[in-house]
Amino acid sequence: GENVEQHPSTLSVQEGDSAVIKCTYSDSASNYFPWYKQELGKGPQLIIDIRSNVGEKKDQRIAVTLNKTAKHFSLHITETQPEDSAVYFCAARQNTGNQFYFGTGTSLTVIP
Amino acid sequence: ETGVTQTPRHLVMGMTNKKSLKCEQHLGHNAMYWYKQSAKKPLELMFVYSLEERVENNSVPSRFSPECPNSSHLFLHLHTLQPEDSALYLCASSQAPQSSYEQYFGPGTRLTVT
Repeated sequence: GENVEQHPSTLSVQEGDSAVIKCTYSDSASNYFPWYKQELGKGPQLIIDIRSNVGEKKDQRIAVTLNKTAKHFSLHITETQPEDSAVYFCAARQNTGNQFYFGTGTSLTVIP
Repeated sequence: ETGVTQTPRHLVMGMTNKKSLKCEQHLGHNAMYWYKQSAKKPLELMFVYSLEERVENNSVPSRFSPECPNSSHLFLHLHTLQPEDSALYLCASSQAPQSSYEQYFGPGTRLTVT
């Protein structure tokens, strides 16, 4: 099966700086890679995703890059704000089947 | 109500109790999922229902029993749980797996087994 690894497990940045979270996956058949943000007391919320036919996707201050050859993808948050503080999860999924494989999460703290 | 809702939000139960968790999705999806979220561990997929039929069951102990009466509702029946079952239980939904990818989560039920 698929194995998703996520780093770092914790990340602290100053407000206004950028944050980068990285994930690797093992199964080359995976072709969909979402990122979720989970705030305290809430369920994970989909914030951005990327499919294997593109290398980069951007949505305002958030971007995701995918390197299929190396089997890794990254979340980039620019101009961080205190409200970006949360736990972020990456995931991978194949075109067939029902299962998403999640990373262990990154706790991001943005220091005002 | 919009999105995916779960009740109750918090539940404390003894090891001999029987309780049920409820999930409802208002997104018109036809696949629903139960996940277990424990500290420092990846989300663990427990069950998947697609078109009201159970299609995944990831070696979950029989003390957890899912039920999907229709495409909008999902239950997780609990009985004789163990303290290690204490966790956040998340429900999610998506459109039929082969045609779409996005999965949306509810807020979770924080379960404590005493």
